[in-house]
Amino acid sequence: GAVVSQHPSRVICKSGTSVKIECRSLDFQATTMFWYRQFPKQSLMLMATSNEGSKATYEQGVEKDKFLINHASLTLSTLTVTSAHPEDSSFYICSARGGTSRSGANVLTFGAGSRLTVL
Amino acid sequence: AQSVTQPDIHITVSEGASLELRCNYSYGATPYLFWYVQSPGQGLQLLLKYFSGDTLVQGIKGFEAEFKRSQSSFNLRKPSVHWSDAAEYFCAVGREGNTPLVFGKGTRLSVIA
Repeated sequence: GAVVSQHPSRVICKSGTSVKIECRSLDFQATTMFWYRQFPKQSLMLMATSNEGSKATYEQGVEKDKFLINHASLTLSTLTVTSAHPEDSSFYICSARGGTSRSGANVLTFGAGSRLTVL
Repeated sequence: AQSVTQPDIHITVSEGASLELRCNYSYGATPYLFWYVQSPGQGLQLLLKYFSGDTLVQGIKGFEAEFKRSQSSFNLRKPSVHWSDAAEYFCAVGREGNTPLVFGKGTRLSVIA
């Protein structure tokens, strides 16, 4: 089945530094990937839609200059949290649609998530 | 606008007892419906999905869900819960095409002996 790999799984950084999170589709090509954010004991909130070869589409209230998304290839999207602050601490999850069949094309596969802690 | 409501924030059941997690959705068209499970600190695993056809869908780990259009519901059920089922469960709605899912707030399931 479709697999999405996310790295790193955990990262701790100092306030003011930048952190990059990678999301890879391992056995399929993903023209579109989605980045979600999850606060403790909360649901997943869509941050942005990452489109291969073009600019990401951000949801209302998400700072595009803080959360830089790059989707340079059909298998890799990156989320960079710039000048991170403690309030950016969260669980970030990426997802992509996998497979080429009709049934597979409508199923989102999620990465295992990246827990960011900003000190 | 699309929305998903999971009325129960936290449910506790005894091991071996039956389980039903509620999910109601608001959607302008025929929805695609999903249930995902998340263990602490982990990503999401797809339990089952409904696109069309038979309104009772079977998933992994013995879960099933029934789509009821008249009630705008997609409740998740399991006849006998195991301790390993303790996790957070998310209902989600989407549509055809390369579009994201909208998630409910989740229901945390605790299983007691």
